[in-house]
Amino acid sequence: GQQVMQIPQYQHVQEGEDFTTYCNSSTTLSNIQWYKQRPGGHPVFLIQLVKSGEVKKQKRLTFQFGEAKKNSSLHITATQTTDVGTYFCAGLLYGGSQGNLIFGKGTKLSVKP
Amino acid sequence: KAGVTQTPRYLIKTRGQQVTLSCSPISGHRSVSWYQQTPGQGLQFLFEYFSETQRNKGNFPGRFSGRQFSNSRSEMNVSTLELGDSALYLCASSLIGRGNSPLHFGNGTRLTVT
Repeated sequence: GQQVMQIPQYQHVQEGEDFTTYCNSSTTLSNIQWYKQRPGGHPVFLIQLVKSGEVKKQKRLTFQFGEAKKNSSLHITATQTTDVGTYFCAGLLYGGSQGNLIFGKGTKLSVKP
Repeated sequence: KAGVTQTPRYLIKTRGQQVTLSCSPISGHRSVSWYQQTPGQGLQFLFEYFSETQRNKGNFPGRFSGRQFSNSRSEMNVSTLELGDSALYLCASSLIGRGNSPLHFGNGTRLTVT
């Protein structure tokens, strides 16, 4: 079936370093959403990107949607220990009859203080 | 505004039994989706209900079923439990669903099948 691939699976960084996770789809997406799940918690919505080439910022987080609407990235500048968790992308297939979000497997971020 | 409420938080069942999980969405949200989360497979879509109708279904066997009531509350049922059904089951409500609006997840029900 259709998949949304997310890399890397794990990322260990020193506090203050930057972090990036990438999301790729073989099929054009209508939109892409990003979620964060803290250890022991549930996924929490971060942002939705809809337009080709869109870039959105939330404080130290920068989200991008590729020009072809097949890939996306989340970049965190100067990580903090509060950034620990798993980051998921979820894409909605363009023109798909299913109409459900397909989640990537997530990137688990650990931050060493 | 109250968040999405799932009950129970934890369940331990034996193979062959059945289980019913409950989800109360955010007030005003008519779409309720269910996901299964496991370490190996990640978040997998089970089904979505909107205004009491199932309008979307993932690739799960018929042992997994659900329903939605007129107040938008939803239940999920798993019959003839298997060991592989052990997982965190997450319910998410959204305003319009179909992947076009943000999902608001509940805390989940942790199901263990022994």
